[in-house]
Amino acid sequence: DAKTTQPNSMESNEEEPVHLPCNHSTISGTDYIHWYRQLPSQGPEYVIHGLTSNVNNRMASLAIAEDRKSSTLILHRATLRDAAVYYCILRSSYRNNAGNMLTFGGGTRLMVKP
Amino acid sequence: DTEVTQTPKHLVMGMTNKKSLKCEQHMGHRAMYWYKQKAKKPPELMFVYSYEKLSINESVPSRFSPECPNSSLLNLHLHALQPEDSALYLCASSQVMVFGGAGNQPQHFGDGTRLSIL
Repeated sequence: DAKTTQPNSMESNEEEPVHLPCNHSTISGTDYIHWYRQLPSQGPEYVIHGLTSNVNNRMASLAIAEDRKSSTLILHRATLRDAAVYYCILRSSYRNNAGNMLTFGGGTRLMVKP
Repeated sequence: DTEVTQTPKHLVMGMTNKKSLKCEQHMGHRAMYWYKQKAKKPPELMFVYSYEKLSINESVPSRFSPECPNSSLLNLHLHALQPEDSALYLCASSQVMVFGGAGNQPQHFGDGTRLSIL
């Protein structure tokens, strides 16, 4: 499986934008880029996913590099509630069991300062 | 509030006990998952069920026995666990693509059962 690399931790100020990077240099053409986050004492929460084009939803934006070897999750205005571990995960779209796999890496712990 | 419900939220059991963890979803998802998460580590996949059939077992010891009695329920039966099995056990569900695979489908997680083995 293609692996992802993320910084261990990042800090942000409240109400400022946050850019969380992810490198995935061995991504295959059929891999989707997923982002999840896990708040303290909760299960992981789906944030956003994309294949090739940039994506926006109510939670965040996902910017995907043209060569797809990296991506950036953008939180437009960080709040204290956004303090969590953010996971960047590649998911295969192949028609086999691998498509059901969700392999978490170490993630980035985001700390938000008031 | 999560749409995947796990019970109990906390469980303490001895090494000789038998207990079960339960997971329920009513989103019509046909793929369900068990993950194990140790403190300060990412979740690790244990089992995947697709259309109520076990499709992936990540070499999990037989003292963990999954069961999917119907499309809404997923159980994890526990027997003769070891202290190192103490962890947060997470259940998740997702759609399955019509032609197989689930790479494009987000997973929805419950908040887990925190298990302690004495």
